Amino acid sequence: NAGVTQTPKFQVLKTGQSMTLQCAQDMNHNSMYWYRQDPGMGLRLIYYSASEGTTDKGEVPNGYNVSRLNKREFSLRLESAAPSQTSVYFCASSFFDRGLGNEQFFGPGTRLTVL
Amino acid sequence: KQEVTQIPAALSVPEGENLVLNCSFTDSAIYNLQWFRQDPGKGLTSLLLIQSSQREQTSGRLNASLDKSSGRSTLYIAASQPGDSATYLCAVRFGGSNYKLTFGKGTLLTVNP
Repeated sequence: NAGVTQTPKFQVLKTGQSMTLQCAQDMNHNSMYWYRQDPGMGLRLIYYSASEGTTDKGEVPNGYNVSRLNKREFSLRLESAAPSQTSVYFCASSFFDRGLGNEQFFGPGTRLTVL
Repeated sequence: KQEVTQIPAALSVPEGENLVLNCSFTDSAIYNLQWFRQDPGKGLTSLLLIQSSQREQTSGRLNASLDKSSGRSTLYIAASQPGDSATYLCAVRFGGSNYKLTFGKGTLLTVNP
């Protein structure tokens, strides 16, 4: 099992360009998440998808859109990149049950620089 | 505001030492708490998940405890090794936040040979 995979690993964009970060999981999890990690800020939730067909905003959704393509895949799109979106982006997944824990498993990250 | 704090921000110990990493949180109404390890330039590796009904969890040389009433968790690492050097992150799923994990900023651990 590959777990959670992300592509690309690195990306450099110019201000105003668009791109899509891809994420896939092979653990049959129902929930998927996108986080960003910035020095001094920790990890912050951008968007999440509780189950296939649903998406919801997290703490810092502005400037991003997401698509839950199917149960395995969850993509993050930057429509018009800004330097403030320079960050490391992590995708995570979990099997969510209201009565149980929600252990999240993370991908290796995408390091994005916006010039 | 629901927050997670990890102190100290950095810790350096000699190899073989037993050590404790601390995590505190502002609201005792939690679903669970998760400890992660992050190596430089890498993703997060889940170490232990403690449910709100549990007091502790163990995996190998790691033991995590949870005290909801005081808003604290500790990660105990026995017989530390240079390979344990990494940033350790604590994350809490607070009550009322069905999906969101709130992360601390981490403790950077260095184990010196």
